[in-house]
Amino acid sequence: DTAVSQTPKYLVTQMGNDKSIKCEQNLGHDTMYWYKQDSKKFLKIMFSYNNKELIINETVPNRFSPKSPDKAHLNLHINSLELGDSAVYFCASSHVGAESPLHFGNGTRLTVT
Amino acid sequence: AQRVTQPEKLLSVFKGAPVELKCNYSYSGSPELFWYVQYSRQRLQLLLRHISRESIKGFTADLNKGETSFHLKKPFAQEEDSAMYYCALKPPGGGNKLTFGTGTQLKVEL
Repeated sequence: DTAVSQTPKYLVTQMGNDKSIKCEQNLGHDTMYWYKQDSKKFLKIMFSYNNKELIINETVPNRFSPKSPDKAHLNLHINSLELGDSAVYFCASSHVGAESPLHFGNGTRLTVT
Repeated sequence: AQRVTQPEKLLSVFKGAPVELKCNYSYSGSPELFWYVQYSRQRLQLLLRHISRESIKGFTADLNKGETSFHLKKPFAQEEDSAMYYCALKPPGGGNKLTFGTGTQLKVEL
């Protein structure tokens, strides 16, 4: 069973469109995250939710809106897509606590044309 | 502000040679340090964490608070070690923000 699963794996879309990426974890974790990996492989946190509550919101354009219907799901909706949004988006989850490692999904490669 | 620096973008070594991937951090306190690895076309996964003091796949990392470093080492590189390696930092006592370094691509050549 996949612990953290994201869909879709690849997403190719045109500028101006609205798209969503879904994430689900079956590890019983109470914290979920979205990370963005750019073309230079730099990983940066975007959002973090703990028990459906937003706890980390980095400097991300408000075109990006995370939604957590329950603690096992954290979806990412992106409005008015721009070329610069092209990246690999990783969902992750963990228990609360500094020593708890993150478990990552396989990533969603978003290409905006 | 917490920051993680990995000075080498690419490290190329021959099989059997020692490997050291450098990681320096800045944080006022005692953070938790991790190494994550991303093999080609695979998800990012935890390699090891300093709190466990363990050796995983022959890799070890020692936290040096004086030098604020957490370098990853392996005495003899294997071809399957070729991957992208990320050093990461998490603040202690709550707060789940994991900050990653820019990553080092390790290439082990025959």
